[in-house]
Amino acid sequence: EVQLVESGGGLVQPGGSLRLSCAASGFIFSSSWMTWVRQAPGKGLEWVANIKKDGSEKYYVDSVKGRFTISRDNAKNSLSLQMDSLRVEDTAVYYCVRGFSAEYWGQGTLVTVSS
Amino acid sequence: DIVMTQSPDSLAVSLGERATINCKSSQSILSSSDNLNYLSWLQQKPGQPPKVLIYWASTRESGVPDRFSGSGSGTDFTLTISSLQAEDVAVYYCQQYYSVPITFGQGTRLEIK
Repeated sequence: EVQLVESGGGLVQPGGSLRLSCAASGFIFSSSWMTWVRQAPGKGLEWVANIKKDGSEKYYVDSVKGRFTISRDNAKNSLSLQMDSLRVEDTAVYYCVRGFSAEYWGQGTLVTVSS
Repeated sequence: DIVMTQSPDSLAVSLGERATINCKSSQSILSSSDNLNYLSWLQQKPGQPPKVLIYWASTRESGVPDRFSGSGSGTDFTLTISSLQAEDVAVYYCQQYYSVPITFGQGTRLEIK
């Protein structure tokens, strides 16, 4: 059974940093693109970033470029999202998602940016 | 960026009736190299993460009831629920994965009339 378990969310002040992690199991992690998608409270879905199977390619939505960094550790079946210079508008549930086409979603972790 | 526009924003349908949701992309998401439409449909029930129902525009995900079907090509796509059940109450999103940034429609809220 595919499992994606996010952690690391919480309350942070504007300008602060947070690192999200995702523990993957139930599939061959190193064979899958991985993606982060976020959803602001009561809003729709926004793709944030994705990373190729071997980590050689990374893509970001314009609003997080230069502030967020996606990475992976295939030996540990884990995905990370380092979020720096956080803004109020980054407040959202962040989902760890398997695949370039976002085929399987974790339960999400809530990030709240507020003073 | 490819803009995905869904219609309607909300929809109320009686149990057992057909529900139809439309999705239009701002440019074609049909690949000439593999003749596939890079579009999926997702369902999000309250308090849950999204779940993929349909990919490649018309391929049903394993375990998804056959009352759900996807159609369309190029820039115009449709999700049809042939006979609405109570458990189908949800927000439905289309998503293109033809190019980055991957983009979603704004969502269509489906309710029971």
